Amino acid sequence: SAVISQKPSRDICQRGTSLTIQCQVDSQVTMMFWYRQQPGQSLTLIATANQGSEATYESGFVIDKFPISRPNLTFSTLTVSNMSPEDSSIYLCSVLAASTDTQYFGPGTRLTVL
Amino acid sequence: QKEVEQNSGPLSVPEGAIASLNCTYSDRGSQSFFWYRQYSGKSPELIMFIYSNGDKEDGRFTAQLNKASQYVSLLIRDSQPSDSATYLCAVKTGGFKTIFGAGTRLFVKA
Repeated sequence: SAVISQKPSRDICQRGTSLTIQCQVDSQVTMMFWYRQQPGQSLTLIATANQGSEATYESGFVIDKFPISRPNLTFSTLTVSNMSPEDSSIYLCSVLAASTDTQYFGPGTRLTVL
Repeated sequence: QKEVEQNSGPLSVPEGAIASLNCTYSDRGSQSFFWYRQYSGKSPELIMFIYSNGDKEDGRFTAQLNKASQYVSLLIRDSQPSDSATYLCAVKTGGFKTIFGAGTRLFVKA
């Protein structure tokens, strides 16, 4: 399995500001995913990030609001832009382990927007 | 719309009992099936995966897959209070996307 770290682990932000979340993996992976999970809810896929190409966003999510970078095979960032209280959630990075076709998750970033 | 359905629970079982968690999926072409455990405030943790019809055992956990019925289950034997968590069923239908169910909350009473 992959070891995944995320920074920050939590943050409290003011509305209208932006936060960039970092995801670091201990091995090279092709597929990285960003999810959101609101309290008591299941996982919602925001986008899929492949190295060297534009991220692919799911319905309801747009690049202007959630820009993603994927500069190499071990790192990605998700920015939550122009935040509102509705963006308060846990944001999770996930990677696909090709050998087992299995997804693993980072520890998550708990975001509160005031 | 490809779907993965789970009973949201909560499912409450006494300590030492067998907990049975169920999941159905809509896409007959699904190939890979996963169970994740998520403790409150933590991220999902993979506990089992199964690709073929039948049973797969790992310690106290058994995953069961029936592709004809589009049904996958997770049995937890000798349930412990530490097993109390939300269990997410996940299905890969081909390609790289995994579809997650909404999860079943399990409470194991001491």
